[in-house]
Amino acid sequence: QQPVQSPQAVILREGEDAVINCSSSKALYSVHWYRQKHGEAPVFLMILLKGGEQKGHEKISASFNEKKQQSSLYLTASQLSYSGTYFCGTANSNYQLIWGAGTKLIIKP
Amino acid sequence: DVKVTQSSRYLVKRTGEKVFLECVQDMDHENMFWYRQDPGLGLRLIYFSYDVKMKEKGDIPEGYSVSREKKERFSLILESASTNQTSMYLCASSSPFPWSSYEQYFGPGTRLTVT
Repeated sequence: QQPVQSPQAVILREGEDAVINCSSSKALYSVHWYRQKHGEAPVFLMILLKGGEQKGHEKISASFNEKKQQSSLYLTASQLSYSGTYFCGTANSNYQLIWGAGTKLIIKP
Repeated sequence: DVKVTQSSRYLVKRTGEKVFLECVQDMDHENMFWYRQDPGLGLRLIYFSYDVKMKEKGDIPEGYSVSREKKERFSLILESASTNQTSMYLCASSSPFPWSSYEQYFGPGTRLTVT
């Protein structure tokens, strides 16, 4: 079942913070976060694994609450380059990734 | 610099035509994936392959087939294109199992229009 991302879209001014959430109805093994700019391929940001290991981007942080089956991506002091659509992908015990519908982030100067 | 390339950025085909989409990766990855991306639906897995000549169905395999004769190349085939297959198609590759622990590298996508 597809994870639910919220919000669907958000508009910020440069320098403001944003939080994007990803919730699943199933127990999770890992959560992936990717960003896709218009007309480009999705680009890897971060993986959060069950047990607390994280791999990814130095300037972006995320949390993974295994009990609540959800993850949040934190974008602080946003820059124009952060604009794009953010996707979470969740994996349960069968290790297949299922992707959320995406959160569109617009940063205005 | 790692690369996943796709044969075409834009493709226009007629209903009923057989369509080939090709993907090549240069990272020696075992796993390769074909996704379809539609507005509001995110990425949906069509097929994936974890080794040469090995394939597994994803969530929406109907109307599609795949071929992997060489490790670096993964082809998606639309046997008889239909208008509801108009979409963006993305190829990706990743390190071995469990692929959910490793990042996926995506190609630039092929926007297919079936008329």
